[in-house]
Amino acid sequence: QQQVKQSPQSLIVQKGGISIINCAYENTAFDYFPWYQQFPGKGPALLIAIRPDVSEKKEGRFTISFNKSAKQFSLHIMDSQPGDSATYFCAASARAGNNRKLIWGLGTSLAVNP
Amino acid sequence: NAGVTQTPKFRILKIGQSMTLQCTQDMNHNYMYWYRQDPGMGLKLIYYSVGAGITDKGEVPNGYNVSRSTTEDFPLRLELAAPSQTSVYFCASSNLVGNEKLFFGSGTQLSVL
Repeated sequence: QQQVKQSPQSLIVQKGGISIINCAYENTAFDYFPWYQQFPGKGPALLIAIRPDVSEKKEGRFTISFNKSAKQFSLHIMDSQPGDSATYFCAASARAGNNRKLIWGLGTSLAVNP
Repeated sequence: NAGVTQTPKFRILKIGQSMTLQCTQDMNHNYMYWYRQDPGMGLKLIYYSVGAGITDKGEVPNGYNVSRSTTEDFPLRLELAAPSQTSVYFCASSNLVGNEKLFFGSGTQLSVL
């Protein structure tokens, strides 16, 4: 059972355009929502993250929008560049005993055409 | 800064062989994780450790074993390799409670033929 649903599976955007990746979750216990960026041949790296007490977080060209009532969050990449071409994973985290459980989306492959 | 180092980067195994994937981190992180990544399937947690001497199963532990004798090292052992274990394996570490920010290694691409 996929607890974090990510869409689209792949995305092609022209240079300078806006890339939008969406994620939806079901478990209201999730309280931390990170986005990871992965380049070919590399491990994922944390890009940006948000907690549900805010509706938006911006870091440079990357913005997370969070809708708690709809249980959805999205990543917006403004002025997309060819160097942004990568796979993006959303995730959701909740406390589990003395640890935390991290549930991953299936990933979105982004290609930015020059 | 080395961060999380995984070896080897590539490996081909025959069915039934065994091997150990090495992972070491130099950030003094207590929490370490092993994931496997299959195309279109995201990341699946195999095993994790909250500190030296403490390990626990993740979502897909069957066919694997781990140990954590030091804070720095978290090797993953494959016994009796099977084609279903063909995957890319990532080791990760974290210094916060659980996995708030994961630092990943570059991965080991394993093929079992």
